[in-house]
Amino acid sequence: GAVVSQHPSWVICKSGTSVKIECRSLDFQATTMFWYRQFPKQSLMLMATSNEGSKATYEQGVEKDKFLINHASLTLSTLTVTSAHPEDSSFYICSAFNSGGTDTQYFGPGTRLTVL
Amino acid sequence: DAKTTQPPSMDCAEGRAANLPCNHSTISGNEYVYWYRQIHSQGPQYIIHGLKNNETNEMASLIITEDRKSSTLILPHATLRDTAVYYCIVKAQGAQKLVFGQGTRLTINP
Repeated sequence: GAVVSQHPSWVICKSGTSVKIECRSLDFQATTMFWYRQFPKQSLMLMATSNEGSKATYEQGVEKDKFLINHASLTLSTLTVTSAHPEDSSFYICSAFNSGGTDTQYFGPGTRLTVL
Repeated sequence: DAKTTQPPSMDCAEGRAANLPCNHSTISGNEYVYWYRQIHSQGPQYIIHGLKNNETNEMASLIITEDRKSSTLILPHATLRDTAVYYCIVKAQGAQKLVFGQGTRLTINP
């Protein structure tokens, strides 16, 4: 299957700082990528849809000014958690949609964010 | 997209077939059934998907009932590494969003 990478795999930061997470599709081009958040013992919650060359589309209740998304190329989307607080601690997962293949989303390995 | 219903948890003995059911009684004609699994602290892994015919790949088989209102994911010879949460998701062709339910926590026992 297609490969999606995320960096970093884990990060610990102080409250009030910003953290950037990268998502890359390694062997296919993705005009659309997605960002999810997952709290312990819960399912994945879609945060936003990242569109190459245009603004991201955020799900209801997700603050666009807090979770900045940039999709500058067909293989890279970034999520920046601005002014992070302990309640932002979570498992962040990206996915990329391979429309040229099997009409399937492929997921990255996730990034564990801990805000102290 | 149609809603799916899965049992919250299941157990299976190592080496036996694991059969995971999913109900999707409101599925529409252009909606596919997708299965993903998530091993602890990892991103979801694509397993298989189908429209109405049964599908098989190197990971699993997908059996969809004739009325398409339910399906079963079959792991033919479960191993301990198959312990994970399995998600059944219905998605229309061309639609890009995946909406995750609570899934089934499958535990493979030695």
